[in-house]
Amino acid sequence: DGGITQSPKYLFRKEGQNVTLSCEQNLNHDAMYWYRQDPGQGLRLIYYSQIVNDFQKGDIAEGYSVSREKKESFPLTVTSAQKNPTAFYLCGSAGNTIYFGEGSWLTVV
Amino acid sequence: GEDVEQSLFLSVREGDSSVINCTYTDSSSTYLYWYKQEPGAGLQLLTYIFSNMDMKQDQRLTVLLNKKDKHLSLRIADTQTGDSAIYFCAESPSGYSTLTFGKGTMLLVSP
Repeated sequence: DGGITQSPKYLFRKEGQNVTLSCEQNLNHDAMYWYRQDPGQGLRLIYYSQIVNDFQKGDIAEGYSVSREKKESFPLTVTSAQKNPTAFYLCGSAGNTIYFGEGSWLTVV
Repeated sequence: GEDVEQSLFLSVREGDSSVINCTYTDSSSTYLYWYKQEPGAGLQLLTYIFSNMDMKQDQRLTVLLNKKDKHLSLRIADTQTGDSAIYFCAESPSGYSTLTFGKGTMLLVSP
């Protein structure tokens, strides 16, 4: 099956802990993206990468980090510096249009 | 900066047509998208239109673009209860650039 796979679907983070959300695509897309969704605020861009080994900050990058060592993978780490990480996280990839995965829910406990 | 605005809520009866509206401010917008999000799920790309087009039709979906007014609409014909979801309008200067999203329109279809 072709597509974008995000895991885990649900994740709980303790205070002071770093967690990593996985995003894998087998669409051979060069560009990949991470968005955060909060109720009533739509989607906001965290990081994006248009080519392997390169990425740029989006509008709300503080407290997050990414890597792009392989074309297929764009993991997002939510660090302890992110003070309000509870949200729905969406990963996307693009050839000539942007497609999204099924999302990951992160909750702080 | 760029801004995309949508009305927050629309309620229709099953079988009626739904029209969801969107306005954007970025003159360099080249790609304009409609995504659908069902509860707890990711975003499903419904359709997109290039800025050099006025209209695009795909089965029950019709997208109209008024570039002069920077106004985009999505019409769903014969709306079904399964169409109940949040619909996001988004714009991008190119097919692989980042998207700017509206806050979404919640469509509720009643039987």
